[in-house]
Amino acid sequence: QQPVQSPQAVILREGEDAVINCSSSKALYSVHWYRQKHGEAPVFLMILLKGGEQKGHEKISASFNEKKQQSSLYLTASQLSYSGTYFCGTEMTSGTYKYIFGTGTRLKVLA
Amino acid sequence: GAGVSQSPRYKVAKRGQDVALRCDPISGHVSLFWYQQALGQGPEFLTYFQNEAQLDKSGLPSDRFFAERPEGSVSTLKIQRTQQEDSAVYLCASSRGTGQETQYFGPGTRLLVL
Repeated sequence: QQPVQSPQAVILREGEDAVINCSSSKALYSVHWYRQKHGEAPVFLMILLKGGEQKGHEKISASFNEKKQQSSLYLTASQLSYSGTYFCGTEMTSGTYKYIFGTGTRLKVLA
Repeated sequence: GAGVSQSPRYKVAKRGQDVALRCDPISGHVSLFWYQQALGQGPEFLTYFQNEAQLDKSGLPSDRFFAERPEGSVSTLKIQRTQQEDSAVYLCASSRGTGQETQYFGPGTRLLVL
């Protein structure tokens, strides 16, 4: 039931781009994206509510394909501060507020 | 003003002891969530409160786990007769409303059961 994220880990040089995918075997009603640095709490990045929706936040954007039951997070021109573990949080049943987090993607940006 | 706070930040317990973990959500936030996060894993849902009502406790691993939010603000997660497998970081999050909204996480309580 836990959404699968890919890749599991990625190493980038500053300025490079990355895509993180979150795939579910069940229908999704909303997707949240979070970044968590080691020893710290997850920090909210964005929420996507509708199929096909795309959102952007500075150089980080995301898409949500309801039909494919997946979401993707796009990091462009990565910065050192982007390093951390990225999690998608998915709501599989509308209105339950029960969020199932994905397997996580460890991202390391090198200078 | 301040974010979500949790106390204690670290707790070491002997197996069999009872522990109580506290969460102070952002003032006025209606929704409150508890998660358990094992090392290297994503947060796992434990329970959800809307004001003082516990609407979902399906993620609590056993009847040794109990959560309350009696006045709709501060919440306490209690673990009775702790076991080694309870060792994890316990995260609390709150959100302003009851819809799909931003969840603001606290720093977590790292519990180690020896």
